[in-house]
Amino acid sequence: GENVEQHPSTLSVQEGDSAVIKCTYSDSASNYFPWYKQELGKRPQLIIDIRSNVGEKKDQRIAVTLNKTAKHFSLHITETQPEDSAVYFCAASMSNSGAGSYQLTFGKGTKLSVIP
Amino acid sequence: GAGVSQSPSNKVTEKGKDVELRCDPISGHTALYWYRQSLGQGLEFLIYFQGNSAPDKSGLPSDRFSAERTGGSVSTLTIQRTQQEDSAVYLCASSLSGSPYNEQFFGPGTRLTVL
Repeated sequence: GENVEQHPSTLSVQEGDSAVIKCTYSDSASNYFPWYKQELGKRPQLIIDIRSNVGEKKDQRIAVTLNKTAKHFSLHITETQPEDSAVYFCAASMSNSGAGSYQLTFGKGTKLSVIP
Repeated sequence: GAGVSQSPSNKVTEKGKDVELRCDPISGHTALYWYRQSLGQGLEFLIYFQGNSAPDKSGLPSDRFSAERTGGSVSTLTIQRTQQEDSAVYLCASSLSGSPYNEQFFGPGTRLTVL
């Protein structure tokens, strides 16, 4: 099955600096890579995603890059703000052709702290 | 509209007892997922329902775990003979369809503590 590794597990940055979180995946058949943000005590929420036919996607201060050859993808947050503090999860989606379904395999998360 | 809801929000049980966790997906969403989130870990896929198709149970960790989805809407995750290692937050998510590109909307979770 798919395996997703996420680094670092914790990250502290000064407000206004950039933050980068990296993930690698094992199954070359994976074709969809979402990122979720989970604030303390809250439910995970999708913040950005990328499909395998795209190399980069940007939404305001957030961007995601994908390198299919190397099987890794990264989340970039620029001009970080205290409200960016949360746990961020990357995920990779692959088809379970036997069951006719798509599963998301999640990384273990990165706890981002933005220091004012 | 209303998001995904789960009940109870917290459940404390004794080892060996059975528990039932409930998920109400967003109305009109045909796909429903259950995940388990242990402390400091990512989200572990458990089971997936899509419309009237047979569920994908490939993530269930043991035969003590089962789930049903009645009428294509509400789902119940049942854990029999609970063990301490079952303690975790159980998250439910729903999406518009089974396409991998549809956003999964998560519920608030049920925190299960097995004493």
